[in-house]
Amino acid sequence: GAVVSQHPSRVICKSGTSVKIECRSLDFQATTMFWYRQFPKQSLMLMATSNEGSKATYEQGVEKDKFLINHASLTLSTLTVTSAHPEDSSFYICSARSGQGDGNTIYFGEGSWLTVV
Amino acid sequence: DAKTTQPPSMDCAEGRAANLPCNHSTISGNEYVYWYRQIHSQGPQYIIHGLKNNETNEMASLIITEDRKSSTLILPHATLRDTAVYYCIVFTGGGNKLTFGTGTQLKVEL
Repeated sequence: GAVVSQHPSRVICKSGTSVKIECRSLDFQATTMFWYRQFPKQSLMLMATSNEGSKATYEQGVEKDKFLINHASLTLSTLTVTSAHPEDSSFYICSARSGQGDGNTIYFGEGSWLTVV
Repeated sequence: DAKTTQPPSMDCAEGRAANLPCNHSTISGNEYVYWYRQIHSQGPQYIIHGLKNNETNEMASLIITEDRKSSTLILPHATLRDTAVYYCIVFTGGGNKLTFGTGTQLKVEL
């Protein structure tokens, strides 16, 4: 089936620095990608919807200037956590939709663990 | 998106069928029923989805009631590796967003 790949799978960064996470659809073109974060023992929380060639749509309460999303091509979206702090430590997951009409499948990446020290 | 209701946890003996229920009484006509599962510390894995007909693939079967207000995911022969959180989501699969509820923690035991 379709594959969505994230990189890096784990990253540790110092407080105050920025870190970029990449999300790639490997065998299909994804006009829409979604970014989630997940805290331990909680469900996935949608952060933003990323459409190729346009600005991302952020969910309420998610700071767009802190979580920069770029979807420059049909196979790549990036999430940059700017000026990261320990409370940003979390599991970040991307997903990509395989088509544009109804009934399409959304595939998820393996996730990226971010630890801010 | 319509909300779903799932039991928080279920147990199943290895080799037996695991039947995971989901209620979605407010589902709209163009919304599909999707099932994903998440094994600890991994991204969600797509299992199956359907609109109104029952569906089967190599992983599972999806049974949707005629009124579409509930569905059941069936893992015909559960193994220990099927232990995971299973999410039932109703979603058009098109332009709207996919949001997760709390899911069902399935524990498969010997």
